[in-house]
This record gives sequence, C-alpha cells and structure tokens, in this order.
Amino acid sequence: QKEVEQDPGPLSVPEGAIVSLNCTYSNSAFQYFMWYRQYSRKGPELLMYTYSSGNKEDGRFTAQVDKSSKYISLFIRDSQPSDSATYLCAMTPNQAGTALIFGKGTTLSVSS
Amino acid sequence: NAGVTQTPKFQVLKTGQSMTLQCAQDMNHNSMYWYRQDPGMGLRLIYYSASEGTTDKGEVPNGYNVSRLNKREFSLRLESAAPSQTSVYFCASRRGQGGGEKLFFGSGTQLSVL
Repeated sequence: QKEVEQDPGPLSVPEGAIVSLNCTYSNSAFQYFMWYRQYSRKGPELLMYTYSSGNKEDGRFTAQVDKSSKYISLFIRDSQPSDSATYLCAMTPNQAGTALIFGKGTTLSVSS
Repeated sequence: NAGVTQTPKFQVLKTGQSMTLQCAQDMNHNSMYWYRQDPGMGLRLIYYSASEGTTDKGEVPNGYNVSRLNKREFSLRLESAAPSQTSVYFCASRRGQGGGEKLFFGSGTQLSVL
C-alpha cells in the first residue's frame, strides 16, 4: 500500500458545482497536510495547508483533515472554469529531514 | 521575482546520451529538491539537498546524480539516458525542512529519451 492514495479521476463538473477531492494515507506520523494545484504544463503551486486535524477555509476552498480516519479532503464551492487543473495532496511528518509525500493528483475539469 | 528557474524547458535525447538539468532559486532557500512526474505515478522524489553541501536520495534515485553547486543552484545529471527516464522533471525549493514550510516549484523540464 502506498503511503498516500488519491483517485486520479478525471472529474468533470458543471460550473457552480461543489467539488470534493480526497486522499487517504497510512502513516500516522503525518502532521502537515497540503493541497497543491497544477495547471497544464506548469509547476504545482500551494493552495492550502493544514496542521494536524481540523478545517481551514480560504474563500471558495475548504481543507479538512480527519486524522482518526487518515483522510483529508478539499472542497471547492461555486466551481469555476479557472479551477480546471490537477489537484495534488501532499503530507509530511513534523520532523526535519523529511520531504513531502505526494498523492498522484486528481484532474478536475469545470465546464461553463 | 523569478523564484525557481529551470533550464532547459524541453530536451530530446538519444539512449545513452548524457545531460544536466539546471535549477536555480533566488529566494535564499536552504532546501532544494528534484522530482519527476509521470502519468499515473504522481510526483516522485529523486534527490534532495537539505542544505548547502548535503544531498540525499529520494524514492527513485537510480540513474541520476545531483550536485548542490552553491546555495542557489542544484543540478540533476543523467549520465546515460534511458527511455524509462522520459518524464517531466521539476525542481523545487523551500526555506527549511520543517513540515509547514511552503515548497516552491519551477515550471518543469520535459525530457524525451528515444
């Protein structure tokens, strides 16, 4: 079992829909949880990050972490065509010397 | 503000050829990373450098070497390219190694090995 599992999709939704993207993980030592957004032919950019469990909201985006279930989610409200991209979850323990572990990414397409 | 700059953006090699991918960051970051991204495989860490003067293997280091030339520059070398190394390569950097440190990526190098 890989440390981080993410459904690659693709996921297609109409404009205005609520989108739910998810990752599961197996390493209970993970403390930092991130979502990166990657547009076609570009490098990933950090979208959201959360430390330990709980929710974090930023505009139309909400990140949730459930450490008891080893499950993280990213919700996008009122999705826009500009949200069409690949979304990668990433996580790491809170210790120096460890790199981020990425999921495979979910490709999202929002149609107008 | 350039951030993380990678060169070249595209490269085609023949099997057995060698090449070096260059990466430079202007954010005074201590840690630098090389990832490869393949369809269905996500981002996989090749090598990283936690600080100037140190390098460590990641998940998929075979067939690659790295050099942390100075604090700004971190290069990735393919000594004898193989078709399995056809991929998109990303360099990234961050200020430190703490879990909450933001990782900044370059725009990638698309490499094809024929």
